[in-house]
Amino acid sequence: AQTVTQSQPEMSVQEAETVTLSCTYDTSESDYYLFWYKQPPSRQMILVIRQEAYKQQNATENRFSVNFQKAAKSFSLKISDSQLGDAAMYFCAYMGSYGGATNKLIFGTGTLLAVQP
Amino acid sequence: GAVVSQHPSWVICKSGTSVKIECRSLDFQATTMFWYRQFPKQSLMLMATSNEGSKATYEQGVEKDKFLINHASLTLSTLTVTSAHPEDSSFYICSARVSANTGELFFGEGSRLTVL
Repeated sequence: AQTVTQSQPEMSVQEAETVTLSCTYDTSESDYYLFWYKQPPSRQMILVIRQEAYKQQNATENRFSVNFQKAAKSFSLKISDSQLGDAAMYFCAYMGSYGGATNKLIFGTGTLLAVQP
Repeated sequence: GAVVSQHPSWVICKSGTSVKIECRSLDFQATTMFWYRQFPKQSLMLMATSNEGSKATYEQGVEKDKFLINHASLTLSTLTVTSAHPEDSSFYICSARVSANTGELFFGEGSRLTVL
């Protein structure tokens, strides 16, 4: 069974600085998707970034980028120029590509990010 | 992005009563919706996969008779917590997949259930 591990329960960063959130996963599949979701105090889940495993190039979305190391099964999230609005719980998630529409999204335990002014 | 709406956003009920939570995809058709449960400061736990026009697939350990899921149309799935008890108090979140090819899910705003 696939598992997702986030080893940092809490992280803190100064405004305008850079922070990296760690995520590792375990799977026997060769093709899959990886995601980072943000859950602010409102509890609304927001997609931050997505990576397809077959793509070697790391995904980037404005200030958010990932370091995808497929062999090491590592998928870290880098937030550059941190802003107060980035404060939230961040979840790493895995989804296999086989099985189509019923594929499950498996979440890590989350990292609570605080941004200090 | 695609919009998924949940209703109600919060509900308080007495022990022994049933509560229905709706999940709607507002601008797309969702053949598959997912229901999650989240306890405070914890991750999302998948409860069941809801398929339009067929029975839901429940995760191990989830009581299908307590958590009734109906997916009657391509835009609506409902979760009914039957004979609710205080231990059922939690945050319930639904999500829907826009396309089987992208893997991306969009989430509702969540529903906070408090059972007195």
